Amino acid sequence: DIQMTQSPSTLSASVGDRVTITCRASQNINSWLAWYQQKPGKAPKVLIYTASRLESGVPSRFSGSGSGTEFTLTISSLQPDDFATYYCQHYDTFSRTFGQGTKVEIK
Amino acid sequence: QVQLVQSGAEVNKPGASVKVSCKASGYTFTTNEINWVRQATGQGLEWMGWMSPHSGNTGYAEKFQGRVTMTRNTSINTAYMELISLRSEDTAVYYCVRGRGVGWFDSWGQGTLVTVSA
Repeated sequence: DIQMTQSPSTLSASVGDRVTITCRASQNINSWLAWYQQKPGKAPKVLIYTASRLESGVPSRFSGSGSGTEFTLTISSLQPDDFATYYCQHYDTFSRTFGQGTKVEIK
Repeated sequence: QVQLVQSGAEVNKPGASVKVSCKASGYTFTTNEINWVRQATGQGLEWMGWMSPHSGNTGYAEKFQGRVTMTRNTSINTAYMELISLRSEDTAVYYCVRGRGVGWFDSWGQGTLVTVSA
C-alpha cells in the first residue's frame, strides 16, 4: 500500500506569512494528489487536485506543486480564514489514501 | 448545487451493525462514484471504500474488507454504507463523499456520528 507522510504535523504562523506544507508518497504516484482544508466541526473542502490544479472558487493564494513522490501546498500570504488542518490525499483506480494532516495554528 | 444529505447520529452496542444513508441531489447520481471516509474525534481522515452508483461496483480499503458493504438505490438517489461487528474503535464521524476524476473528492455530506458503546 502507498503511504502518505505530511510534514510538519503542526505549524505556527502569522497572518501574512508564506506557508509551505510537504507531502511525501512511499512510491511514485505521478500527479495523483489532492489537498484539502478542514476546519473544526466541518467537512473537508478540496483546494487542489492533480497536484497543481486549483479547484474553482479557491483563492489564488493557494498553490500546489510536485510530482512523483514529493509534493507541496503553499499559501502565499496566510489569511485569518486559513487557520485550519490540511490533508493531502493520493488517489488512483484502486485506492485513496490520506496523509495524517498538518494543523496550521496562529503564532 | 450538489448536496449529499446523510442520516442522523447513531448509538450502537459492540458487535452490532450500522447502516448510514446518503441522499444525493443537484446532479446525476449515477455519473460520480460515492466514497465513504471516517474521522474519529481529534484524528485524521480514513478512507473506507468507493462505490459506482451506475454499476454497483465497489472497492474497499483492506482494513474494512469483510466488515463493510456499500450499496445504492438509484430510484431514490441514495447510497448506503453498512459496517458490521462494531467495536469501540469504530466510533467516528462517517462522511459520504462524491468522487471526481480518478478519485479526488469534491463534495462532502454533513457527516454522521456513529458511537459504539456498551
